[in-house]
Amino acid sequence: DIRMTQSPSSLSASVGDRITITCRASLNIRTYLNWYQQKPGKAPKLLIYAVSSLQSEVPSRFTGSGSGTEFTLTISNLQPEDFATYYCQQTFSTIYSFGQGTKLEI
Amino acid sequence: QVELVQSGAEVKKPGASVTISCKASGYNFTTYPIHWVRQAPGQGFEWMGIINPTDGSTSYAQKQQGRISMTRDTSTDTLYMELRSLRSEDTAVYYCVRRSVVWGVLTSYYFDFWGQGTLVTVSS
Repeated sequence: DIRMTQSPSSLSASVGDRITITCRASLNIRTYLNWYQQKPGKAPKLLIYAVSSLQSEVPSRFTGSGSGTEFTLTISNLQPEDFATYYCQQTFSTIYSFGQGTKLEI
Repeated sequence: QVELVQSGAEVKKPGASVTISCKASGYNFTTYPIHWVRQAPGQGFEWMGIINPTDGSTSYAQKQQGRISMTRDTSTDTLYMELRSLRSEDTAVYYCVRRSVVWGVLTSYYFDFWGQGTLVTVSS
């Protein structure tokens, strides 16, 4: 199975900050990399698919980049509603796997 | 609008079985595969398997082979996941999710719509 490793596991930031979350895959997953946001008690929400494609209605302050084995999610101008847990996901192999999550806190 | 609506929370004893339903609406039911994933309390996600609503074909996580079944009813656009021989480690929120795909320079499969989740608690 492909292992996905996110860093950091948690992050403290303030409204207006710019933050970056990194996701590393245990092997080359090409562009089969997605990002999700999850708030407590809720289902995850797709933010970015195929490394850098913004899902409909997701604000442009969310950007994704990377290729192969290293990927990043950047959130610019943090808003109060952005404080949540973020997960990367690979869909290159038939067994999709997620990173362990990055909790973004105020 | 696309919706996946799951059945309600369940409490089961070890050794029992549970069946969760997921009713799809707002799109062509047979066009998109449905995956099931689970999230144990305070944990990350574990992929359980996939069903193709077109023909009912399935693929399951090796870890669950033999005690999981995924089915669909095309007359009601509903998917089902049954997990048998439950143990405490199966306590989790279970999600059905729709898988989409984008092809091109940037290609990926991705989960664009999620059910609201079903909490299954296994406890004696």
